[in-house]
Amino acid sequence: DVKVTQSSRYLVKRTGEKVFLECVQDMDHENMFWYRQDPGLGLRLIYFSYDVKMKEKGDIPEGYSVSREKKERFSLILESASTNQTSMYLCASGGTPQETQYFGPGTRLLVL
Amino acid sequence: TQLLEQSPQFLSIQEGENLTVYCNSSSVFSSLQWYRQEPGEGPVLLVTVVTGGEVKKLKRLTFQFGDARKDSSLHITAAQPGDTGLYLCAGARGSARQLTFGSGTQLTVLP
Repeated sequence: DVKVTQSSRYLVKRTGEKVFLECVQDMDHENMFWYRQDPGLGLRLIYFSYDVKMKEKGDIPEGYSVSREKKERFSLILESASTNQTSMYLCASGGTPQETQYFGPGTRLLVL
Repeated sequence: TQLLEQSPQFLSIQEGENLTVYCNSSSVFSSLQWYRQEPGEGPVLLVTVVTGGEVKKLKRLTFQFGDARKDSSLHITAAQPGDTGLYLCAGARGSARQLTFGSGTQLTVLP
């Protein structure tokens, strides 16, 4: 059974804290993605990676960075969390855009 | 401005009713996917449509890709409470590696 796991289901952080969200996939996919999901806005792409150490900005990269040191692991970093980064964060992995994207269960982040 | 507009944003119906959800764009997509997301989970793929005019059926769900590959619809016949969830369309454009997601339709089917 294919699996994408995320390090936390819920996180509460203070403004200004550094936040790490980790994602691991076991399907040997080249592509991995980080989205944030907010009511009425659907899924918005933050960053994606198509290979180890490779990354590309998505639609809303400001305030975020990413790291992909190993093929199976893709990390999202909030260098200095702000309240407007309170959201649901979803990680996904997949092959070509025509193929299925497999999503993790999400991390609900609250920044106080 | 969303590249993919979904309508309606919210839909609440009684069990047994039929419904249609729309996904529209001014851009052409090489393929379009529909996902369903249940509370506390990530989205799960329902179907991928690739050819303009294509129709795919998945039990009581019928998916159609517009002839010009700019729009898609999802029709559910005799909805059941188990159909409740957030329905998302997502399109692939040209050589882009990523998908563009719509804003979603939150469907609630009441028993």
